[in-house]
Amino acid sequence: DQQVKQNSPSLSVQEGRISILNCDYTNSMFDYFLWYKKYPAEGPTFLISISSIKDKNEDGRFTVFLNKSAKHLSLHIVPSQPGDSAVYFCAASFSNTNAGKSTFGDGTTLTVKP
Amino acid sequence: KAGVTQTPRYLIKTRGQQVTLSCSPISGHRSVSWYQQTPGQGLQFLFEYFSETQRNKGNFPGRFSGRQFSNSRSEMNVSTLELGDSALYLCASSVQGTGETQYFGPGTRLLVL
Repeated sequence: DQQVKQNSPSLSVQEGRISILNCDYTNSMFDYFLWYKKYPAEGPTFLISISSIKDKNEDGRFTVFLNKSAKHLSLHIVPSQPGDSAVYFCAASFSNTNAGKSTFGDGTTLTVKP
Repeated sequence: KAGVTQTPRYLIKTRGQQVTLSCSPISGHRSVSWYQQTPGQGLQFLFEYFSETQRNKGNFPGRFSGRQFSNSRSEMNVSTLELGDSALYLCASSVQGTGETQYFGPGTRLLVL
């Protein structure tokens, strides 16, 4: 049973427009969520996170929204730039256990066209 | 601060061989986690070490093992390699490993022939 799902394997948007990447989770005990960006031949790079006590977190062009009742989070990138083209992974973890692990989705490949 | 480093970056092995991968975490980070990424798959959690102890383990066979040294550096070992072990192996470090941001290394790409 996959606990974190990214149902869109790919997304293509025009430069300057908004990119919206979605992620669903099944375990209601997750309380810390992260987005990572990954370029080919590199490890994932942390982008932005959100705790379950919040429903929104902003960092520059990146905003993450969390809807706990729907067990859904989304990453908004505004405006999108060609350099944002990468694979985006959402991840979920528990803040109150010494798990040391995050559960990742399969990733969404974002292509931003000039 | 230097980031997470992994060695080697690329490795080619044959079936039946064993392999050891190394990870040096960010200075001050005591938690090191290992993940496997195969084509079309997300990151699958292998195990996590904290203060030289394995705290959590994913659903991988016993051929996959690891250890952590007193300086927090970690090694991962895969014995009796199979073709399906070909993957990108990533390690990630964090300060405590308790639901915080993990910082990833560039990965070791393993090809099993």
